[in-house]
Amino acid sequence: QKEVEQDPGPLSVPEGAIVSLNCTYSNSAFQYFMWYRQYSRKGPELLMYTYSSGNKEDGRFTAQVDKSSKYISLFIRDSQPSDSATYLCAMSENDYKLSFGAGTTVTVRA
Amino acid sequence: DGGITQSPKYLFRKEGQNVTLSCEQNLNHDAMYWYRQDPGQGLRLIYYSQIVNDFQKGDIAEGYSVSREKKESFPLTVTSAQKNPTAFYLCASSTGGGNTEAFFGQGTRLTVV
Repeated sequence: QKEVEQDPGPLSVPEGAIVSLNCTYSNSAFQYFMWYRQYSRKGPELLMYTYSSGNKEDGRFTAQVDKSSKYISLFIRDSQPSDSATYLCAMSENDYKLSFGAGTTVTVRA
Repeated sequence: DGGITQSPKYLFRKEGQNVTLSCEQNLNHDAMYWYRQDPGQGLRLIYYSQIVNDFQKGDIAEGYSVSREKKESFPLTVTSAQKNPTAFYLCASSTGGGNTEAFFGQGTRLTVV
């Protein structure tokens, strides 16, 4: 079993829809949770960063962490074609190692 | 502009050759990392360095080597001992441990021919 599980998709939605992404994990020591966006043939860029459980909102993006269920989510409201990318979840125990999910490929249709 | 620069963007290697991937950062970050990305597998940690002249193996270090002689530079050598080197390689840096944001370079795509 992988330490971080993420459905690779692909996920296709119409423009304006809500995109819902999630990851599950097995290591209860993870404290820091991140979502990265990666465009094709580019490096990942950080979208959201959350410590412990709770919600965090930034514009059209909302990240949720439920440590009791070992489950994290990312929601994208009013999705745009420019949101088409691969979304990677990542998490850390507060050491130097990030554990990544496999990434979910999202396409927003105009 | 501050950031992480990886070079080259594309690299071709003949079987049996060693190749070195460059990673330079001007963010004044202490920590630097090398990841490998394969389709459907996410990012896997090869090596990381918390400080100059010190580095640790990640999850898939076999067949790779690194050096950290300068704070700004963290080159990765893919040796002939790496049996399946064709992949997308990503360098990252951060100010510290897992509680800090990691910034990524644009990657190097290595292909064995």
